[in-house]
Amino acid sequence: AQSVAQPEDQVNVAEGNPLTVKCTYSVSGNPYLFWYVQYPNRGLQFLLKYITGDNLVKGSYGFEAEFNKSQTSFHLKKPSALVSDSALYFCAVRDTARGGYGQNFVFGPGTRLSVLP
Amino acid sequence: SQTIHQWPATLVQPVGSPLSLECTVEGTSNPNLYWYRQAAGRGLQLLFYSVGIGQISSEVPQNLSASRPQDRQFILSSKKLLLSDSGFYLCAWSEGQGAYEQYFGPGTRLTVT
Repeated sequence: AQSVAQPEDQVNVAEGNPLTVKCTYSVSGNPYLFWYVQYPNRGLQFLLKYITGDNLVKGSYGFEAEFNKSQTSFHLKKPSALVSDSALYFCAVRDTARGGYGQNFVFGPGTRLSVLP
Repeated sequence: SQTIHQWPATLVQPVGSPLSLECTVEGTSNPNLYWYRQAAGRGLQLLFYSVGIGQISSEVPQNLSASRPQDRQFILSSKKLLLSDSGFYLCAWSEGQGAYEQYFGPGTRLTVT
């Protein structure tokens, strides 16, 4: 079965410092990987996705993520954090071996990012 | 461009009362539609998904039901709410069967008292 882990419940970083939010996954086929951000009492916003090709994916708001097949990871990164980046971040995976529709989208438990001024 | 709407934004209902939450999508045709529940500001639980009008699949047996009366309309309902139905309900849409990401609505905060 496919699964996603976000090993850190909370990440704190100082404004201007680089940030990393970790994600590891488990699938039987090839993964499609996604990152979302959620601000309080709002819906999830799509940040970026990895389908195939270049392992470094660039997305919205200066975020990027690196796909590492050997480590089954897809960590979210940003070179310089902003206070406004403080939010809840979700990693998600689709297992291509399962086919079907988006019901096979599995979300991680979320990581709360706090950027301190 | 595509947009997704949900209403109401917040709802407070007594135990045993009925529920109807609505979701509509604009700017696309034949989307896949989803209802999720998010408890305590954390993980998402997929409740229902639909690949077409009148086609509903349930992921979790529960007190809720869903309907899709029109191509871009998705409704979440209950005949009698339970305290455990409280949570943040999110509607989402995606295209086709491929690698397409899901796009989420603004959500409905439901409190059952």
